Amino acid sequence: KNQVEQSPQSLIILEGKNCTLQCNYTVSPFSNLRWYKQDTGRGPVSLTIMTFSENTKSNGRYTATLDADTKQSSLHITASQLSDSASYICVVSVNYGGSQGNLIFGKGTKLSVKP
Amino acid sequence: DAMVIQNPRYQVTQFGKPVTLSCSQTLNHNVMYWYQQKSSQAPKLLFHYYDKDFNNEADTPDNFQSRRPNTSFCFLDIRSPGLGDAAMYLCATSRDRGARSTPLHFGNGTRLTVT
Repeated sequence: KNQVEQSPQSLIILEGKNCTLQCNYTVSPFSNLRWYKQDTGRGPVSLTIMTFSENTKSNGRYTATLDADTKQSSLHITASQLSDSASYICVVSVNYGGSQGNLIFGKGTKLSVKP
Repeated sequence: DAMVIQNPRYQVTQFGKPVTLSCSQTLNHNVMYWYQQKSSQAPKLLFHYYDKDFNNEADTPDNFQSRRPNTSFCFLDIRSPGLGDAAMYLCATSRDRGARSTPLHFGNGTRLTVT
């Protein structure tokens, strides 16, 4: 069964600290992995997309890694800011061939950054 | 700068009273999606349009319908809302379908309350 598991479920850190969020997946055939940031009461916003051949991708203070062999991804946030408080959702795309596809969403990690 | 616009942001309807949620996009994307997201859960795909081609998810209740009169607009109709349909409804667009490395662009959602 195609699944995406994220950990931890929630996390509290102090402003300025770094943190790492985890995503494990059992999705086949794999197409790509995406990280989204969802502020409370808002729609998700894309942070990164990585394909099978990409190990790391950065977007400002956000760095995502992908290990396609172990089917694990992480999102590292450097020098956290209060505005980083949000849910972070890992989404894995299943490749059914052609233009068909399916997105498997994780439940997200809720990050709270405290002053 | 909003590219996917959902109206209204908050909608209150009575049990059993039909309600329509709207979504418009300025990206000229081929694909438009409707997701249902309940508290602390991952978004759940209800259906999507690839151009005019409607694709319903197998487990989407018949109570949920959709219309896409043109490229820019897409509507979600809930014919007889039940208390269990209270949720955030997210509209998203993408240039291609999910398997390609094109990000989903989400609107800010409509939060539906059923009384």
